[in-house]
Amino acid sequence: DSGVTQTPKHLITATGQRVTLRCSPRSGDLSVYWYQQSLDQGLQFLIQYYNGEERAKGNILERFSAQQFPDLHSELNLSSLELGDSALYFCASSGAGGQGYYGYTFGSGTRLTVV
Amino acid sequence: GEDVEQSLFLSVREGDSSVINCTYTDSSSTYLYWYKQEPGAGLQLLTYIFSNMDMKQDQRLTVLLNKKDKHLSLRIADTQTGDSAIYFCAETSMNRDDKIIFGKGTRLHILP
Repeated sequence: DSGVTQTPKHLITATGQRVTLRCSPRSGDLSVYWYQQSLDQGLQFLIQYYNGEERAKGNILERFSAQQFPDLHSELNLSSLELGDSALYFCASSGAGGQGYYGYTFGSGTRLTVV
Repeated sequence: GEDVEQSLFLSVREGDSSVINCTYTDSSSTYLYWYKQEPGAGLQLLTYIFSNMDMKQDQRLTVLLNKKDKHLSLRIADTQTGDSAIYFCAETSMNRDDKIIFGKGTRLHILP
C-alpha cells in the first residue's frame, strides 16, 4: 500500500457519460498530480494541484476538469466520454512544500473503459 | 522542450544483467528517477539520483548518470522473473514547479 488511495479501481461506462475519479493523497502530502496512461501515448501528465490550488496544467482536455478539496483529496471529472478516453488514470502525491524532488508516490490507478 | 526517451522493449535471460537506457534533453535536470510498474499496479519509485552524482548503487540496482551526454541507465544484476515489469525513466529540475517528465517506459521481459 503506497498510501495514495484511488477509487474506484475499475469503471465501465458508455460514450457521452460523465464520471468522477477520486484520489486521497499520502498523509501529509500537499500536492496531487493526475496522469493518464494509455498503450499508445504512455504516461501523460494532466494536471497538478497544490494545497487546493491548481499549479500546473498538462495535456488535459477541456472535457476534463479536476479540483482539490480542503481535506486535500482530489477528484478528476471526465465528461462527454469518448472511446479514446479509455485508459488507466493515476493519481500521485508529493510532500509538503510541493517538493516532488524526491519523487512522487503513485496510487494503483483507476481503469476506465468507455464502451 | 523537456523530453525523456527510452527504448520500449528489452528481453533478458534470467540470471543475466539487464541494462535499461534513457536519454533526456533538459540540461538543467536536477533529479532523475527510475520507477517500476508491475502489471495492474501503479508506478513504484525504485531509486533516484541527484545530478551531481555519477553513480548510485542499491543492492542489485546500479544507476549511472552521464550528465554531459544526458544519459541515464539502470542496471539490474542477476535478473529474476519478478523483475518483469515496465521501467520508467523520469527527471525534474528545480525551476519546473515539481513537474516530473516521464519517458514512455521500457517493458522488461525475462527469458527462462
